[in-house]
Amino acid sequence: GNSVTQMEGPVTLSEEAFLTINCTYTATGYPSLFWYVQYPGEGLQLLLKATKADDKGSNKGFEATYRKETTSFHLEKGSVQVSDSAVYFCALSDRNFGNEKLTFGTGTRLTIIP
Amino acid sequence: GAGVSQSPRYKVAKRGQDVALRCDPISGHVSLFWYQQALGQGPEFLTYFQNEAQLDKSGLPSDRFFAERPEGSVSTLKIQRTQQEDSAVYLCASSLERGSAYEQYFGPGTRLTVT
Repeated sequence: GNSVTQMEGPVTLSEEAFLTINCTYTATGYPSLFWYVQYPGEGLQLLLKATKADDKGSNKGFEATYRKETTSFHLEKGSVQVSDSAVYFCALSDRNFGNEKLTFGTGTRLTIIP
Repeated sequence: GAGVSQSPRYKVAKRGQDVALRCDPISGHVSLFWYQQALGQGPEFLTYFQNEAQLDKSGLPSDRFFAERPEGSVSTLKIQRTQQEDSAVYLCASSLERGSAYEQYFGPGTRLTVT
């Protein structure tokens, strides 16, 4: 079956630090990969996505590259801000199953201190 | 424009009671998903609708769980004879069309607590 493994949290960083949240996946087909973010008190929202190997998704200074050879989709940001404090979820959607249900990792809570 | 809305936002049920959770997707969205999120975990897929057709219900944990979308818009997730292990946040998501290129938009969730 499909699964997503992501770096356990919580992660605490100082403002302007470099961020990496690791994510690896197992899929039976050729998945699309996503990072979703949940800010305090808000619903899940899409941060970025990549649909094929070597694609790079980017948004709000965050980036992740679809690495088929290592089955990874690590999230990075060069300089984090306090406003980036949230829970981050890596997810995949396996188009071979005929619907686009998402399989999520367990989430990584990120706290940025000023 | 309006996003996905869910009601109620919070529900407390005594063990054995039936509950109904409502999802109003974004107008015109064809696909609708239900997910269950236990505390400290990622969301887990429950069921999927394309318009009014329930095409995948493989994630429903037991026959106490039932979902419908009779007119291809509003959806209801019903849980019969609730158990403590049903306590979770239930998330609804909709997307414009089939296909992983289409973003799933999530509602705020309904937090169900079974006492």
